[in-house]
Amino acid sequence: GNSVTQMEGPVTLSEEAFLTINCTYTATGYPSLFWYVQYPGEGLQLLLKATKADDKGSNKGFEATYRKETTSFHLEKGSVQVSDSAVYFCALSRGSQGNLIFGKGTKLSVKP
Amino acid sequence: EAGVTQFPSHSVIEKGQTVTLRCDPISGHDNLYWYRRVMGKEIKFLLHFVKESKQDESGMPNNRFLAERTGGTYSTLKVQPAELEDSGVYFCASSQDAGVTEAFFGQGTRLTVV
Repeated sequence: GNSVTQMEGPVTLSEEAFLTINCTYTATGYPSLFWYVQYPGEGLQLLLKATKADDKGSNKGFEATYRKETTSFHLEKGSVQVSDSAVYFCALSRGSQGNLIFGKGTKLSVKP
Repeated sequence: EAGVTQFPSHSVIEKGQTVTLRCDPISGHDNLYWYRRVMGKEIKFLLHFVKESKQDESGMPNNRFLAERTGGTYSTLKVQPAELEDSGVYFCASSQDAGVTEAFFGQGTRLTVV
């Protein structure tokens, strides 16, 4: 069946450090892939997405590339800020973009 | 424009009681989704409404859970009777076009069953 596996946290980084959060998936067909972010006290927000192989999603300095050959969608940012502290969720769609399978989430804490 | 609104934001109830969660989607969004995150686990899909019809309810855990969306506007999720394992955060999301457009999530309702 379909599933998403992402690296377990928590991840603690210093400001301006490089961030990678690994995400791999198992799916039938060709799902769309997403990263959602949940800032403290807020709901889930779509951070970026990619709908087909080799697509790169990007937003707010974050990037992720849809790699079909490695079934991966790793999230990266070159220089994190304290304001990036949040929980990050990797997800894939099952048909519609609202019908999602999520990973367990990775909590990121960025220290000044 | 108002986003997806859920209430209450928190609810603490005793085992065996009934709780009703409410979700108000973004105006004009026909698609409404319910999800649940149990502590330390993945966010799990519960069901999908298209207007007032249940498109997919494959994620509903058991018959203690009842979701409705009368009139195709707001939705309620009732848990009756609540059990300890129902504790978690319940998220609602809505989208305009299920196939191609982004789903917007609410802040969630944290349910604690004691």
